Amino acid sequence: DAGITQSPRHKVTETGTPVTLRCHQTENHRYMYWYRQDPGHGLRLIHYSYGVKDTDKGEVSDGYSVSRSKTEDFLLTLESATSSQTSVYFCAISDRAPYQETQYFGPGTRLLVL
Amino acid sequence: AQSVSQHNHHVILSEAASLELGCNYSYGGTVNLFWYVQYPGQHLQLLLKYFSGDPLVKGIKGFEAEFIKSKFSFNLRKPSVQWSDTAEYFCAVNAYGSSNTGKLIFGQGTTLQVKP
Repeated sequence: DAGITQSPRHKVTETGTPVTLRCHQTENHRYMYWYRQDPGHGLRLIHYSYGVKDTDKGEVSDGYSVSRSKTEDFLLTLESATSSQTSVYFCAISDRAPYQETQYFGPGTRLLVL
Repeated sequence: AQSVSQHNHHVILSEAASLELGCNYSYGGTVNLFWYVQYPGQHLQLLLKYFSGDPLVKGIKGFEAEFIKSKFSFNLRKPSVQWSDTAEYFCAVNAYGSSNTGKLIFGQGTTLQVKP
């Protein structure tokens, strides 16, 4: 398995509070991704990063921000959590080999917003 | 916009039965295709992938998939399932040359339940 860890693994929070999820990799891969997984929707891309301090929006970015100050860490922040952000969040990494990119996934963070 | 469709949402099979899960995508250009598996409570693991070449791809645990370009399909197969194959299966596409280049687009997932 790729060296990806996510923290925390489980979190319960209240509506309106800020929440930060961390993804840490030991593979020195350039690309990192945040997805959310919801029943009936598969995985949907929230934000991604193509290098330190280089990030871009994905399909469902509203209400989320990200930061990447080091190659190995990619942070996802919910500025003011809402119940609709209750989900399982997965981080992924890849080395973006041209036309042959494979993404590898972390263990996930289960977030419940009350 | 590109999309991926998995037609079977919930499949129930007995052990030793054959499996075929459908996956269709909407994009006419170059694609990389993937099947991921998620065992209960675990993260997504790569089952197999197609980049180019032989359209019949073999993966781990006896799974295979066939890329049929004319049908925009990448169906997953296994000749004889085991109870341990109980999991959720996701098809994903990377559509090169589109606005989604480098971004995996996932299907909704298929839950496979194998009865012992």
